Amino acid sequence: DTEVTQTPKHLVMGMTNKKSLKCEQHMGHRAMYWYKQKAKKPPELMFVYSYEKLSINESVPSRFSPECPNSSLLNLHLHALQPEDSALYLCASSQTSGGGYTFGSGTRLTVV
Amino acid sequence: SQQGEEDPQALSIQEGENATMNCSYKTSINNLQWYRQNSGRGLVHLILIRSNEREKHSGRLRVTLDTSKKSSSLLITSSRAADTASYFCASSAGYSTLTFGKGTMLLVSP
Repeated sequence: DTEVTQTPKHLVMGMTNKKSLKCEQHMGHRAMYWYKQKAKKPPELMFVYSYEKLSINESVPSRFSPECPNSSLLNLHLHALQPEDSALYLCASSQTSGGGYTFGSGTRLTVV
Repeated sequence: SQQGEEDPQALSIQEGENATMNCSYKTSINNLQWYRQNSGRGLVHLILIRSNEREKHSGRLRVTLDTSKKSSSLLITSSRAADTASYFCASSAGYSTLTFGKGTMLLVSP
């Protein structure tokens, strides 16, 4: 298995909702990432997990809460989001020794 | 500081032509990578070039790296309509995370 699977592919949520994005990989990668991408912009790093521990938080607002239950799963819990949080959320994984990232196809999030 | 600035921002060519995209970065790197993204979907890793390499090939892709100028180029030869996508360079310093450039939108017309 050489894929990163993200669910759901599309999500529309109200500003008072709580939702979660899920990411799964079975490549044995011990580094996993969340990126946020706005239209016509490059991906921006949000969080990095290394060996299931949060190693980087790029000053992301607390309404985004990451979780890494095990070496194959990565979640992003969303609560009280703002319309400006609407974006494509990308999960990726890699070897911890560096090298190329494998990205999921993303979750298109719309906050209304 | 912003890493990985690509140019041009947009490139339009005909099928069969070659496409060249350039990337500049500002700090020392361990490696530089190129990714392709179709229509706002996930990014696909194309090729990685390490700081001690000067040129690398993969199929129709050719990447060069000039560490003295802190720049890289991606050449796609004999382009096809299916190559239409956004292309991003991404730099990595040591074992740090990737920092993406602004990207080049490539349009290949039949």
